[in-house]
Amino acid sequence: KQEVTQIPAALSVPEGENLVLNCSFTDSAIYNLQWFRQDPGKGLTSLLLIQSSQREQTSGRLNASLDKSSGRSTLYIAASQPGDSATYLCAARSSGTYKYIFGTGTRLKVLA
Amino acid sequence: ETGVTQTPRHLVMGMTNKKSLKCEQHLGHNAMYWYKQSAKKPLELMFVYSLEERVENNSVPSRFSPECPNSSHLFLHLHTLQPEDSALYLCASSPASSGRALNEQFFGPGTRLTVL
Repeated sequence: KQEVTQIPAALSVPEGENLVLNCSFTDSAIYNLQWFRQDPGKGLTSLLLIQSSQREQTSGRLNASLDKSSGRSTLYIAASQPGDSATYLCAARSSGTYKYIFGTGTRLKVLA
Repeated sequence: ETGVTQTPRHLVMGMTNKKSLKCEQHLGHNAMYWYKQSAKKPLELMFVYSLEERVENNSVPSRFSPECPNSSHLFLHLHTLQPEDSALYLCASSPASSGRALNEQFFGPGTRLTVL
């Protein structure tokens, strides 16, 4: 049974800092892994999706990596800005299922 | 705007009421999902439809009844809910091919449901 864990649960950093958010999953037979951000009271916004055959994906200041053997994905945010403040969620989909299992998220606050 | 809309955005209902949540996607996707988001818990997948066929029912109580009349619309019919069903209900869609959902999910803004 797939379980997804995100550490830390909350993080505060000064503006301009580079930071890494972590996502761990127990079943390495994943089909893909997706990172989202969620602003308070809102839906989820897709940031990056990594297929199981890929090692990383980049979009602007964001870079997500995937290491299936260790059951880990990281989201790297370069030169953080106050507008990056949100909750970041990762979701893993195991091979052979339609289920996406979500972590509980990392609540990020970037201080101006 | 993600191309996925949900109505209503807020709903308050009593335990004996019957109501429906609506989701519509304008992205040409043919897989649609219902999720429940409760405070301090991970998002829970409730149902998945691919090519209008239900392919996942994640042990959801029968007081929640989904309906997918076509690939653009998804409903969640609610009946005799409990206060613990109060949550944010999120709809998502993704492309699918040959009955398999392959790619990224796009979410709607959610319906905040309160059961009194």
